[in-house]
Amino acid sequence: SQQGEEDPQALSIQEGENATMNCSYKTSINNLQWYRQNSGRGLVHLILIRSNEREKHSGRLRVTLDTSKKSSSLLITASRAADTASYFCAPTISSGSARQLTFGSGTQLTVLP
Amino acid sequence: SAVISQKPSRDICQRGTSLTIQCQVDSQVTMMFWYRQQPGQSLTLIATANQGSEATYESGFVIDKFPISRPNLTFSTLTVSNMSPEDSSIYLCSAPQGATDTQYFGPGTRLTVL
Repeated sequence: SQQGEEDPQALSIQEGENATMNCSYKTSINNLQWYRQNSGRGLVHLILIRSNEREKHSGRLRVTLDTSKKSSSLLITASRAADTASYFCAPTISSGSARQLTFGSGTQLTVLP
Repeated sequence: SAVISQKPSRDICQRGTSLTIQCQVDSQVTMMFWYRQQPGQSLTLIATANQGSEATYESGFVIDKFPISRPNLTFSTLTVSNMSPEDSSIYLCSAPQGATDTQYFGPGTRLTVL
């Protein structure tokens, strides 16, 4: 199955700074999804980028996708303490049982006030 | 976006008992997934639940321990049977929706087994 691996494993920044997280994967995909998980809670869907898109924005989030390098990045601008969470990428193949998502360890982001 | 709810949100159970977790989606979906997240770990897929057929289990998970029901296109249950402290985890259901198969997750059920 397709699994994303996030990098770095942990990231600590000051409030107001930008945070960049990276994701690498190994197979061809239809799209890639980013999720946020606050401690002990469910996953919140942040953004989906299709394989034919290179960049996508949503509020303070900017996602890029480079299918030739099989990598994606998530940029959070002007970070806030409330952005403190774990972030996961999920490369997706939309075909039969391949719709299941396989998660890496995530990036633990800490935004210091 | 889809709205997925789970019941209960949390529970504390005794060793040897069973707990059934419910997952409700606000629209019809073909596939539903159940995941487990052990403390400090990432999510691991338990099984895929399709309406009208047996659930498909991932390696390391068996039907006797995690029986799943999928009576219709909006609902599924996962039972954690004969629980032990090692089953203490967050259990999450999810479902892909829309043309892009955006996958939404429920809020999770936090299970503690004493």
